Amino acid sequence: GQQVQQSPASLVLQEGENAELQCNFSSTATRLQWFYQHPGGRLVSLFYNPSGTKHTGRLTSTTVTNERRGSLHISSSQTTDSGTYFCAIDRSSGSWQLIFGSGTQLTVMP
Amino acid sequence: NAGVIQTPRHKVTGKGQEATLWCEPISGHSAVFWYRQTIVQGLEFLTYFRNQAPIDDSGMPKERFSAQMPNQSHSTLKIQSTQPQDSAVYLCASSPGGGAPLFGEGTRLSVL
Repeated sequence: GQQVQQSPASLVLQEGENAELQCNFSSTATRLQWFYQHPGGRLVSLFYNPSGTKHTGRLTSTTVTNERRGSLHISSSQTTDSGTYFCAIDRSSGSWQLIFGSGTQLTVMP
Repeated sequence: NAGVIQTPRHKVTGKGQEATLWCEPISGHSAVFWYRQTIVQGLEFLTYFRNQAPIDDSGMPKERFSAQMPNQSHSTLKIQSTQPQDSAVYLCASSPGGGAPLFGEGTRLSVL
């Protein structure tokens, strides 16, 4: 079945530093999504990005489908960026049923 | 729009008791999903409804777990004879047809 691997598992930054989170998946996915979860909070969708590059604020999502990888870049990190970032792909083509990676836990220190 | 509403937020049951978790999807969304989140297993797909019809329950444990969507305004996940390993955060999400799912805050189930 589909597999999703995220790296690093955890990351500690000083405020103002940049972060690069990686996501690799086992087969060509029709959709890749990035989610953010604050401890105890709900999953918040950051990007739906099947291919190419998308920007919102300090976040950039890049998906290279034929290389089965995606990345999430966070520039000028802030303490409020702390939390866990998940990538997810379709469980089966076009299904919107998601398989999640194990997440990257980001801590931004003041 | 209050988003996907899940109740209760926290539920504590004794081993062997029944637990029913409720989800109110966003009005107008045709798809409803249930996921489970634990530290060990991470986020796991459980089941999926579209237009109230069950589409795929292949992620559901075959025994003790059942899900229903009796009308377009709510779905329930029922766990019979709860076991400590059922302790998890149960997440409900809804999406419009063909759109990205939006998640509720989850129900934290603790089985003592």
